[in-house]
Amino acid sequence: AQTVTQSQPEMSVQEAETVTLSCTYDTSENNYYLFWYKQPPSRQMILVIRQEAYKQQNATENRFSVNFQKAAKSFSLKISDSQLGDTAMYFCGQSGATNKLIFGTGTLLAVQP
Amino acid sequence: SAVISQKPSRDICQRGTSLTIQCQVDSQVTMMFWYRQQPGQSLTLIATANQGSEATYESGFVIDKFPISRPNLTFSTLTVSNMSPEDSSIYLCSVEGVRLAGGPGEQFFGPGTRLTVL
Repeated sequence: AQTVTQSQPEMSVQEAETVTLSCTYDTSENNYYLFWYKQPPSRQMILVIRQEAYKQQNATENRFSVNFQKAAKSFSLKISDSQLGDTAMYFCGQSGATNKLIFGTGTLLAVQP
Repeated sequence: SAVISQKPSRDICQRGTSLTIQCQVDSQVTMMFWYRQQPGQSLTLIATANQGSEATYESGFVIDKFPISRPNLTFSTLTVSNMSPEDSSIYLCSVEGVRLAGGPGEQFFGPGTRLTVL
């Protein structure tokens, strides 16, 4: 069975600072994919970054990067130069052979001016 | 990318009634998904809907309570039947984008339907 765990219900960061959101997962599959989605107050789900498990190189998208530790089943998200618009709920997700996307419980990130 | 619309965007319903939520995509897609997001909670997958076949429901969700239709490759409906206050949630549909490297593509989400049951 797939599980995703986010142990930080809430985080706060000052504008322009860096913050890391934690995520751990469990799966019995060898080929799977990991995602971070953002849900701002508008509640629209937006993909932030995607990582293929077979790739050792950590994915990067502008100010967003991941630290993917496959052996530890850890997939943290680092946001650099935080902006007020980054304030949102962040969900870590995992998808495997069935293409079902399973989400963690989310981390509410508040960027303070 | 895919643009998804949902109707209604929100509704307030009485206990015991049913509500049908529509999901329209601007392109043809094979797989569509329905999620429930209870207040302050994460998204929980209700079912996967493929065109031309019966929807596949996740544990804890049954067809009698959440019947789904998928008449074509751009449209799906989810009905919340015999509603109770516990059904108050946001319901979201999503579709899978183009697959990359043989694996699942990005999922694009609709804006959600906020349901309140009195």
